[in-house]
Amino acid sequence: DTGVSQNPRHKITKRGQNVTFRCDPISEHNRLYWYRQTLGQGPEFLTYFQNEAQLEKSRLLSDRFSAERPKGSFSTLEIQRTEQGDSAMYLCASSFSSLSGTGSSYNEQFFGPGTRLTVL
Amino acid sequence: AQRVTQPEKLLSVFKGAPVELKCNYSYSGSPELFWYVQYSRQRLQLLLRHISRESIKGFTADLNKGETSFHLKKPFAQEEDSAMYYCALKRMIYNQGGKLIFGQGTELSVKP
Repeated sequence: DTGVSQNPRHKITKRGQNVTFRCDPISEHNRLYWYRQTLGQGPEFLTYFQNEAQLEKSRLLSDRFSAERPKGSFSTLEIQRTEQGDSAMYLCASSFSSLSGTGSSYNEQFFGPGTRLTVL
Repeated sequence: AQRVTQPEKLLSVFKGAPVELKCNYSYSGSPELFWYVQYSRQRLQLLLRHISRESIKGFTADLNKGETSFHLKKPFAQEEDSAMYYCALKRMIYNQGGKLIFGQGTELSVKP
């Protein structure tokens, strides 16, 4: 396991097309996060999964965005009817949480290399 | 709302000079603060977190709750420190999943 992987690394599409990105987390990690990063900005949280359950979604995630994590392993992020404003780097991160639901703890998030989306 | 501010987009210093990358945050609760670094052509990686109070690659950062700051410091910059640095906050709230809120980033350039 060489870390979090994302495919494709680059995607160029025309406005109005649908695109799908894949993230493969570190195998024992139960949490998976999606972030978006535009030029000159830090990453912005989009959504996260605990195993296969999607537990939080940002208001940034419009109805055109959908994410899944079947069987709690890899995750996909789909953007329907892409717009030029969707052009960004999409980052995936994973972590392992040993929490049983009480208190709060941080387990390091390991980031993937990102998928750069360009919408023409 | 939670917010992380890094006031400098670019910080340029000479090798051997001290470095301080500023980070301020706004959050009414108890935060966890982190510094992430991204070297050229590499992925984002954790540099250090405030709860561990450790020094990594000569960098330290102290959480100042009174000033709501978490500045990153290094007494003697090296050329290999040149990178993008992001300050990030995590809310310490029950069952909130650990999402990170990032600042805009500061590019550190260390000149020979």
